[in-house]
Amino acid sequence: SQQGEEDPQALSIQEGENATMNCSYKTSINNLQWYRQNSGRGLVHLILIRSNEREKHSGRLRVTLDTSKKSSSLLITASRAADTASYFCATGGSTGANSKLTFGKGITLSVRP
Amino acid sequence: DTAVSQTPKYLVTQMGNDKSIKCEQNLGHDTMYWYKQDSKKFLKIMFSYNNKELIINETVPNRFSPKSPDKAHLNLHINSLELGDSAVYFCASSSRGVLQETQYFGPGTRLLVL
Repeated sequence: SQQGEEDPQALSIQEGENATMNCSYKTSINNLQWYRQNSGRGLVHLILIRSNEREKHSGRLRVTLDTSKKSSSLLITASRAADTASYFCATGGSTGANSKLTFGKGITLSVRP
Repeated sequence: DTAVSQTPKYLVTQMGNDKSIKCEQNLGHDTMYWYKQDSKKFLKIMFSYNNKELIINETVPNRFSPKSPDKAHLNLHINSLELGDSAVYFCASSSRGVLQETQYFGPGTRLLVL
């Protein structure tokens, strides 16, 4: 069954604005990851946050994780037209050989120049 | 120096045909995956191999058969193609160390069954 669900489904903002995307999940997790997919391309890993972490930064990206609410948010600051893409959250249930990621349906972000 | 590569990039074929998609990674990873992304962009795992051994096999029809000749390659063979098989198929790889669950994706194979 699908684990992560992103919100909103689509987001359109002006260049320079911040973009906030949310992800909720249902079962306990080991880690949560965010990926970006440009049109017609494969997914690219952005950031991973573990279940014992609350916040993580990478460049213009900030990810938070609230395990009590089973939710995460991805903030992209000072957005650029090149940030236009689909963004997916993925939850990892365990480590080890049979661990797998379960992806949400994705959020389509459009950044207007 | 592509990390995860797939061939072909596009595949258009008739219903009932058999086709194969190939995947290779040069990252030295020990785990490889096949995902299917439908027209609504929903990405679902199909198979996972660790050191050439099948470890994840989701509820995928028997018409789909993965094969891993070595750690760097994972191929997907599809028999008797159906219209519903039309999708984008992504290969991915990762290292199964305790702290390394990040997956690296190939560019995808766009399959259209007519």
